[in-house]
Amino acid sequence: QSALTQPASVSGSPGQSITISCTGTNSDVGGYKYVSWYQQHPGKAPKVMIYDVSNRPSGVSDRFSGSKSGDTASLTISGLQAEDEAEYYCSSYSSSSTLVFGGGTKVTVL
Amino acid sequence: EVQLVESGGGLVQPGGSLRLSCVGSGFTFSNHWMHWVRQAPGKGLVWVSRIKSDGSTKTYADSVKGRFTISRDNAKNTLYLQMNSLRAEDTAVYFCARDGPGLSGADPDSWGQGTLVTVSS
Repeated sequence: QSALTQPASVSGSPGQSITISCTGTNSDVGGYKYVSWYQQHPGKAPKVMIYDVSNRPSGVSDRFSGSKSGDTASLTISGLQAEDEAEYYCSSYSSSSTLVFGGGTKVTVL
Repeated sequence: EVQLVESGGGLVQPGGSLRLSCVGSGFTFSNHWMHWVRQAPGKGLVWVSRIKSDGSTKTYADSVKGRFTISRDNAKNTLYLQMNSLRAEDTAVYFCARDGPGLSGADPDSWGQGTLVTVSS
């Protein structure tokens, strides 16, 4: 049950696009369609932004999109806005019938 | 509106026990898998456990297996986490989360605000 690998930080200017990677193995990210992405502001509960690799819940901005290639999933935020500054976590179902999270990525809007 | 409200956190000595509760409302509780996820102070999210809608399937992270027990009472719309043999490293905010409408058991989509558990002498 090793954590998925995410970059510690990603930054961009308003209006730019950024991409956060989430790398696992073929026993988790690469083996299942159950990859989710969460946004968490300080002191708040996580909020789902993407589920099942690329599906966006109702109410989530279409500036957020998800994809997967092999053992790596990605979250792209386009048209970066100040309100997007937060911690982002990926999660995946794994072959041990458990879930595993990434270590988190701090997104900074310059 | 989906609401999840956790309770039961607090200060406990190492080796002690605590039971967390999570009451769900605004959705059909008995239809959804439920999860517990924790977050140590200043650290990332860590999945702890999940339970199927009817309580028939339960899975745990290795770090809590044998010490924590997840359960639910669908008549009371309540999820529980019984935590025994607590260690300092169990100190965290514990979130309950509802699984998504796809009913996969793998997509937590709505989260409570969390309850803080502190294990210290």
